[in-house]
Amino acid sequence: AQSVTQPDIHITVSEGASLELRCNYSYGATPYLFWYVQSPGQGLQLLLKYFSGDTLVQGIKGFEAEFKRSQSSFNLRKPSVHWSDAAEYFCAVGAQDSWGKLQFGAGTQVVVTP
Amino acid sequence: DSGVTQTPKHLITATGQRVTLRCSPRSGDLSVYWYQQSLDQGLQFLIQYYNGEERAKGNILERFSAQQFPDLHSELNLSSLELGDSALYFCASSARLASYNEQFFGPGTRLTVL
Repeated sequence: AQSVTQPDIHITVSEGASLELRCNYSYGATPYLFWYVQSPGQGLQLLLKYFSGDTLVQGIKGFEAEFKRSQSSFNLRKPSVHWSDAAEYFCAVGAQDSWGKLQFGAGTQVVVTP
Repeated sequence: DSGVTQTPKHLITATGQRVTLRCSPRSGDLSVYWYQQSLDQGLQFLIQYYNGEERAKGNILERFSAQQFPDLHSELNLSSLELGDSALYFCASSARLASYNEQFFGPGTRLTVL
């Protein structure tokens, strides 16, 4: 069965510290991988995506993610977080034959402390 | 601002009632998606339309239906509402059908069923 797992429901990080959010997927077909961010009261905004090529992808707001096929992972990283990065982060997976249907993980809530 | 608009922002209604949620995609986008976000189910794909035709279905209840009109706006109809239908309903749009296309999310409609 296809699945997306974000093992961490909640992460607290100090401002200026590094952040890594984990995402593991189980998909039969070649996956298309996405990270979205949802700020309070807002819709979702795409941070970055991967579907082929270089396995290290750069996104907006200083985020990057690395696709590791052997580990079925697509972890999101940021070297130095800002207070404005406090939000909920969702990993999502699509497939070539899924006509745009995305399966989302449960999300990771990030809290940034001063 | 993603360019996707959703109305209304908030909707409070009673069990057994019927409501209609409206979505206007970004200018030029042909594909519209509906998602439901609830505390217990997370973010779930409901249905997708492309240029007026239904293309993919997810975990959409039979009490729910959607359509996309010739001007490309979409409506999600929810009937015989139950308490468990209380959720945030998102509409997203993308330029085409392919799964690697970025989906742009609207701000959502928060439905409360009392």
